[in-house]
Amino acid sequence: EDKVVQSPLSLVVHEGDTVTLNCSYEVTNFRSLLWYKQEKKAPTFLFMLTSSGIEKKSGRLSSILDKKELFSILNITATQTGDSAVYLCAGGPGRNQFYFGTGTSLTVIP
Amino acid sequence: DTAVSQTPKYLVTQMGNDKSIKCEQNLGHDTMYWYKQDSKKFLKIMFSYNNKELIINETVPNRFSPKSPDKAHLNLHINSLELGDSAVYFCASSQGGASSYEQYFGPGTRLTVT
Repeated sequence: EDKVVQSPLSLVVHEGDTVTLNCSYEVTNFRSLLWYKQEKKAPTFLFMLTSSGIEKKSGRLSSILDKKELFSILNITATQTGDSAVYLCAGGPGRNQFYFGTGTSLTVIP
Repeated sequence: DTAVSQTPKYLVTQMGNDKSIKCEQNLGHDTMYWYKQDSKKFLKIMFSYNNKELIINETVPNRFSPKSPDKAHLNLHINSLELGDSAVYFCASSQGGASSYEQYFGPGTRLTVT
């Protein structure tokens, strides 16, 4: 059965800390992995990863994919209260099907 | 200039009723999706659809059916609503193809079945 597992389920940190969120996957004919940030409403897209070992960066956020070990990490450096959200990852075989993990709930305390 | 819009935002209805949720995207995308997010925040894909192919998650009951009058719309029709259908339903769209699976989500429709 295809699945995506995220860890930890929840995380509380102080502003300025660096966090690493984990996503492991077992997806048949895997093609891409997506990261989203969900605050109060709809998820917003962060990254799409298709190649192993190539880091993608956007400001204080970065992500990398390891297709051999079947996982991805999302790093957030110098966290801010605005980073508080649920972070979702999803893996898909590229036929418009994606399996989402249960998400990691991040709370950043001032 | 909303990219992906859904109506209604909230829907409260009784068991056994039939209801529809509408979704429209003005991004020119060729693929649209419906997701269900339960109370534990788990997001599960229900359908993906473009003008060529409907892919159905096999765990979705056949009481749920997507209807697409045109490329910019994908409505979700639900027959004989059950208590377990209560959830937030998200519509999303993307430009399909090998190079991009970046999905844009609508604001969600919170369905409550009583």
